[in-house]
Amino acid sequence: GESVGLHLPTLSVQEGDNSIINCAYSNSASDYFIWYKQESGKGPQFIIDIRSNMDKRQGQRVTVLLNKTVKHLSLQIAATQPGDSAVYFCAEGGGSYIPTFGRGTSLIVHP
Amino acid sequence: GAGVSQSPRYKVAKRGQDVALRCDPISGHVSLFWYQQALGQGPEFLTYFQNEAQLDKSGLPSDRFFAERPEGSVSTLKIQRTQQEDSAVYLCASSLVAIGELFFGEGSRLTVL
Repeated sequence: GESVGLHLPTLSVQEGDNSIINCAYSNSASDYFIWYKQESGKGPQFIIDIRSNMDKRQGQRVTVLLNKTVKHLSLQIAATQPGDSAVYFCAEGGGSYIPTFGRGTSLIVHP
Repeated sequence: GAGVSQSPRYKVAKRGQDVALRCDPISGHVSLFWYQQALGQGPEFLTYFQNEAQLDKSGLPSDRFFAERPEGSVSTLKIQRTQQEDSAVYLCASSLVAIGELFFGEGSRLTVL
């Protein structure tokens, strides 16, 4: 959901559950999308990417879904683990391919 | 080194002081990006280099911000006459090709008093 000020949208799950993190993008010209994970005090780390000629891509325990009609992106994490706790950003690349980051969602995994 | 290295990791500056932040990208990476990340926000684009050429500096917030990458490797982000609103984490990222996965450093946290 939407948040105000410094409070990030937060998703809390139990260890072992599946997590779904959503992202809406605004630029219809964007044709490259990336998910990053950022742990406290560290730089963002690449998770998975997808190009606009695809609607689904799978990695290890992660799946990205792209719905260009409604400009929506989601990241699914299977069997979520405490080590998955972090802030997750989606980034979009338009014609310039300079990634533009969204605000982020904080994922909290409870043991 | 194995990853992108940034220094200093932490910098405290008095308002009006000049600062310089250094980025050592992964060897051989063509593209280099600087981002600014305020607390609780996503990274905001500042500037982009392809080798030594600064192809986009549209994100630099004012003419107090200057970046260079003179030999197409190490880059320096310089902020002159720092202001409190400059307090943020400055992230550097490099990429092997023009379009691809960004590898980020751990950032330089700047606090302006």
